[in-house]
Amino acid sequence: NAGVTQTPKFQVLKTGQSMTLQCAQDMNHNSMYWYRQDPGMGLRLIYYSASEGTTDKGEVPNGYNVSRLNKREFSLRLESAAPSQTSVYFCAISDRGDSPLHFGNGTRLTVT
Amino acid sequence: AQSVTQLGSHVSVSEGALVLLRCNYSSSVPPYLFWYVQYPNQGLQLLLKYTSAATLVKGINGFEAEFKKSETSFHLTKPSAHMSDAAEYFCAVTFVYGGSQGNLIFGKGTKLSVKP
Repeated sequence: NAGVTQTPKFQVLKTGQSMTLQCAQDMNHNSMYWYRQDPGMGLRLIYYSASEGTTDKGEVPNGYNVSRLNKREFSLRLESAAPSQTSVYFCAISDRGDSPLHFGNGTRLTVT
Repeated sequence: AQSVTQLGSHVSVSEGALVLLRCNYSSSVPPYLFWYVQYPNQGLQLLLKYTSAATLVKGINGFEAEFKKSETSFHLTKPSAHMSDAAEYFCAVTFVYGGSQGNLIFGKGTKLSVKP
C-alpha cells in the first residue's frame, strides 16, 4: 500500500521545455491536489480536483494545467517551463473536507 | 478571508526542553485546524487536527495543541523535546467547503532544531 506515488522524484528542465508530473493513489480518496513548496512560502495550492471529472484552480495556477485521468490519477503539466517554476511539487489526497491530507514524497524540479 | 500565521520561522530548543510552536488563525466561520510535520526529503504528515470536538487535541509523538477561540490560536506543544523532533512544522486552517479542501491555507512553516 503505497498511498500516494509521485513520479519522477527529480527533474531538471531547460526554460521552455515541457513536462508532466504524475500522481497516483491507491487509497480510493475522492479529492486530489497539487501544491508547490518554496522556502519561506509554505505550501501553495496550484490546482485541485474535488472528484473525478472536476478540476479547479488554486492560489497559483498560472503556467500549469492538470488532468484528472481517473479516480486514481491526477497529473500536472508545465507547457513551457520557467525558472520561477523551480520548486518542490507535492501531490496530496483527501477523503472529505475535514479529513487530513495524505502527501506524496514530492518531485524536485529545477528549471535552468 | 481565512489566513494563518506562524510566529517564528526557526525555533531552537535543547533536548528535554518544552517545545512551543505558535499558530494564529483568522477565519470568518468556525475553523478546522491542522498541524503537519515534514521531515527532510519527505511529504507532510498529519500530527493532529481540531474539528470542533475537544479543544485540547492530542496527536502523535507526544505533541498536543489547544484551540483557543478567544485568542484565535492553535499552538503546538510537547513537554520534552527529542532529537527526532527536528523537522519543519506547518499549521493549516480550513472549513468544510464543497467536500474538498480547496481552501486549505498553510502557514509558512517553523523549522524546529533540537540541540543535544
